[in-house]
Amino acid sequence: DAGVIQSPRHEVTEMGQEVTLRCKPISGHDYLFWYRQTMMRGLELLIYFNNNVPIDDSGMPEDRFSAKMPNASFSTLKIQPSEPRDSAVYFCASSFPTGGYNEQFFGPGTRLTVL
Amino acid sequence: DAKTTQPNSMESNEEEPVHLPCNHSTISGTDYIHWYRQLPSQGPEYVIHGLTSNVNNRMASLAIAEDRKSSTLILHRATLRDAAVYYCVKDSGAGSYQLTFGKGTKLSVIP
Repeated sequence: DAGVIQSPRHEVTEMGQEVTLRCKPISGHDYLFWYRQTMMRGLELLIYFNNNVPIDDSGMPEDRFSAKMPNASFSTLKIQPSEPRDSAVYFCASSFPTGGYNEQFFGPGTRLTVL
Repeated sequence: DAKTTQPNSMESNEEEPVHLPCNHSTISGTDYIHWYRQLPSQGPEYVIHGLTSNVNNRMASLAIAEDRKSSTLILHRATLRDAAVYYCVKDSGAGSYQLTFGKGTKLSVIP
C-alpha cells in the first residue's frame, strides 16, 4: 500500500484565495483525521471522520475552514478565504482502530504558505 | 481533556539506551498510552502503545508505572536515525479514537 497520500505537498497562495487540500487514506481504513501543525501551537486535531461521516469538528478554527469526505477514498480540507495565519503544515491521517490498537498513519503533509 | 507532560528536549549518545519520560497523572482507567515520533520534515509515525503492562516491539519498549500516572519509552540503542520529536499521547477515551498531541520531547543523538 502506498500509505496516506496528500496533495499538493506545497502550496503558496495569496491572502483571500481559496485553498483546497486533498487526502487519500489507506484502503480499508475507516477513520480519517485532519491535523494542523505550527511552531506555536504544535499538532492540533481539526476534524475527524468515521465511515465518511464527520464525528468531531470542534478543532476547526473558524467558518473559513470546511472538510468533506465524499467517499471512503477521498477527503478535502478547504480554506476560504485564506489568511496568513493559516500558514502551517496540514497532515491527514487514517486508521482502522481495534480495541486499544489505534495506530494512525500520517501522510507527508501539505505545507501551506499564505502571503 | 487531560494532557501529558514531557521534557522539551533530551540528548543521548549514539548506541546508548535512551529513556524518555512522560507524566499523565489524570489518565483514566481505560485510556491507552501511545507514543509517536516525528522525524524532520515528515508526519508523525507510531512507535508503541500500552494500557497497564510493559510492552515491547521491534522499535522500542514501553514501561508503564503501576499507578499508570507515568510511562517511559525506552530506545535500547539510539542511532542517528532516532533523532526526532517523541510524543506521548493519550487517547480521548470513551470509545473515541482522537489523539491529543502535546509538545513532545526533541531527542538529539550525538555521534
